[in-house]
Amino acid sequence: KNEVEQSPQNLTAQEGEFITINCSYSVGISALHWLQQHPGGGIVSLFMLSSGKKKHGRLIATINIQEKHSSLHITASHPRDSAVYICAVHMNYGGSQGNLIFGKGTKLSVKP
Amino acid sequence: ETGVTQTPRHLVMGMTNKKSLKCEQHLGHNAMYWYKQSAKKPLELMFVYSLEERVENNSVPSRFSPECPNSSHLFLHLHTLQPEDSALYLCASSPDRGAYEQYFGPGTRLTVT
Repeated sequence: KNEVEQSPQNLTAQEGEFITINCSYSVGISALHWLQQHPGGGIVSLFMLSSGKKKHGRLIATINIQEKHSSLHITASHPRDSAVYICAVHMNYGGSQGNLIFGKGTKLSVKP
Repeated sequence: ETGVTQTPRHLVMGMTNKKSLKCEQHLGHNAMYWYKQSAKKPLELMFVYSLEERVENNSVPSRFSPECPNSSHLFLHLHTLQPEDSALYLCASSPDRGAYEQYFGPGTRLTVT
């Protein structure tokens, strides 16, 4: 079992829909990232958070440290939001402290 | 030019070839990383360099050989690869090693024939 689990693996939505992607992790962390990967490979960091909630435009990320769970929400989704969304965590212990552990990603397709 | 760049963007090589992947960052960061992304698998950390010193080697086969001549450049030298090494290879950098935001390059799509 991967230390970082994302759900769903694939998500198809209609333009304008509210979207939620979930991430659960099983290790102690110092921070969690939400990343976006477009076809072609480039990865962009959307959020880095260690508590509470962050908002940027139509994107909202929340984290519950006690429950070891984070969510990424997209409001008023648009076809240009189509991408793979990846959750990654910074471990806070051991020799690998500071390294990122990644989920498998959620492939989002937003239809016009 | 800003950010993290990688060359080449695409590479096809035979199993007996020797090639190198290049990564360059223009962000003044001290830490650089090589990741492998295979189909349907999470990104896997391969190597970490901090201030040009290799600080982590994640059980990567010796047919992959990293080099960090200075804090702005990172290479991955490839030789006698296997078809299962075909993947997207991503370079990233961060201000220092630790819980910092990492900036990724566009990746090199490698195909081993």
